[in-house]
Amino acid sequence: DTGVSQDPRHKITKRGQNVTFRCDPISEHNRLYWYRQTLGQGPEFLTYFQNEAQLEKSRLLSDRFSAERPKGSFSTLEIQRTEQGDSAMYLCASSLGTPTPGGYTFGSGTRLTVV
Amino acid sequence: AQSVAQPEDQVNVAEGNPLTVKCTYSVSGNPYLFWYVQYPNRGLQFLLKYITGDNLVKGSYGFEAEFNKSQTSFHLKKPSALVSDSALYFCAVRDPNAGNNRKLIWGLGTSLAVNP
Repeated sequence: DTGVSQDPRHKITKRGQNVTFRCDPISEHNRLYWYRQTLGQGPEFLTYFQNEAQLEKSRLLSDRFSAERPKGSFSTLEIQRTEQGDSAMYLCASSLGTPTPGGYTFGSGTRLTVV
Repeated sequence: AQSVAQPEDQVNVAEGNPLTVKCTYSVSGNPYLFWYVQYPNRGLQFLLKYITGDNLVKGSYGFEAEFNKSQTSFHLKKPSALVSDSALYFCAVRDPNAGNNRKLIWGLGTSLAVNP
C-alpha cells in the first residue's frame, strides 16, 4: 500500500490521558498536513509541515496539542490531558510541492473517542 | 475572508437521474478548487480539481464540475447517479496567493443519498 497510512484507526481513551497518533505519508511527499473532522463538519486545519519544519499551527490547536515530523518522513500528533471535546476524526494528508494532479492524498484517519 | 459554502446539507436523487452538488467560494484572485468524497468510515478521496484552463473538469467515477468565475461557483455534477455514489461530498479551495502554506479551506459537506 503506497497511500497515506494512519495508526491507530480507532482510539478510545479516558479523559485526562495522553494519546499519540502516527501518520506515514507517501514517501516522496514533502508536505504533510493534520486536520480534525467532527461529525457534520468539514475538515479543520490543525498544522502543516514542509519536510521536518512545522510551518503553520492553527489557533484551534491548544497547548495540549503537539505535532512532530523529526526526519521529514512520518509525523506524530500528541494530545495531552485529553478532553471530551477532543473526540473527533484526525486526518493526515500529504502532497508533493505544489499539489499534484491528484491534489492532496488523505489517510483513512484516526477516530478518537474520549470518555 | 476566504470561505467555501455548500448550501445544501443533503441532496436526494433517484438512481439514474442527474445529480448536482453545489459549491460557492469567496477567495481573492483565481482560486484552486477541489472536490473530495468521503464514504462511511473511509478517508477523503480526491475526485477532481480546477486549476486553470477549461472550465469543465472531468474527474473520477464519472463526476464532473464546472468552474463559473462570475458566479464564484464550482458545482459537482454527474449525468446518471448510482446508489454507490451515496456519500459525503466536500468542496475545498486553496488561495494560490496564500504563500507556502497550501492549506485547503473546506466546505461543511453535502450528504448525497441516491435512492434505488
